[in-house]
Amino acid sequence: QVQLVESGGGVVQSGRSLRLSCVVSGFIFSKYGMHWVRQAPGKGLEWVALIWNDGSKEYYLDSVRGRFTISRDNSKNTLYLQMNSLRVEDTAVYYCAGSTVTTDIFNYWGQGTLVSVSS
Amino acid sequence: QSALTQPRSVSVSPGQSVSISCTGTSSDVGGYNYVSWYQQHPGKAPKLMIYDVTKRPSGVPDRFSGSKSGNTASLTISGLQAEDEADYYCCSYAGSYTYVFGTGTQVTVL
Repeated sequence: QVQLVESGGGVVQSGRSLRLSCVVSGFIFSKYGMHWVRQAPGKGLEWVALIWNDGSKEYYLDSVRGRFTISRDNSKNTLYLQMNSLRVEDTAVYYCAGSTVTTDIFNYWGQGTLVSVSS
Repeated sequence: QSALTQPRSVSVSPGQSVSISCTGTSSDVGGYNYVSWYQQHPGKAPKLMIYDVTKRPSGVPDRFSGSKSGNTASLTISGLQAEDEADYYCCSYAGSYTYVFGTGTQVTVL
């Protein structure tokens, strides 16, 4: 079955960096675009970034553009999110998500990894 | 990239129907037929319930249906069951390969 397993979350000070990983199994990872979606504690979902299946294009939420970088290694079935210059407002559970139907939906989700940014 | 507007909460008796609205603009909901809906139970990852406005993924009960009129999309749950108590989020394509979620609606089964 399909599995998405995130890792790399933790507590970090404002201004520092963190890299999240998401290992995917159960479908042909290299064929599909992948997303990161986040959810601040007690708040709603927020789309963060998208990367095309071959890694050639990346798209971002305005508030993270220039600070976050989404990337992938198709040989390792792994999606990444490099987060630099972290802010307190970036505190959230970060989910990797994807779809084998269309890039515009999220029908597979990981369990999420918590990033907590302190001041 | 402003969040789509959903009612904060709705309360419904078992067996009744409920419709949740999701209001955006002509740049997102009104501009594309790429609205999806997600169910999230506490402490769990979201689950896709509806996509492309009206399509239901395999395994989702046909009690769940979607529609759209202008800049407003709706999710309807018919014959509400106890396990339907959850938070529900809409999501729309917003152009230039960006996406926007709704503010979320808490559904309570009385």
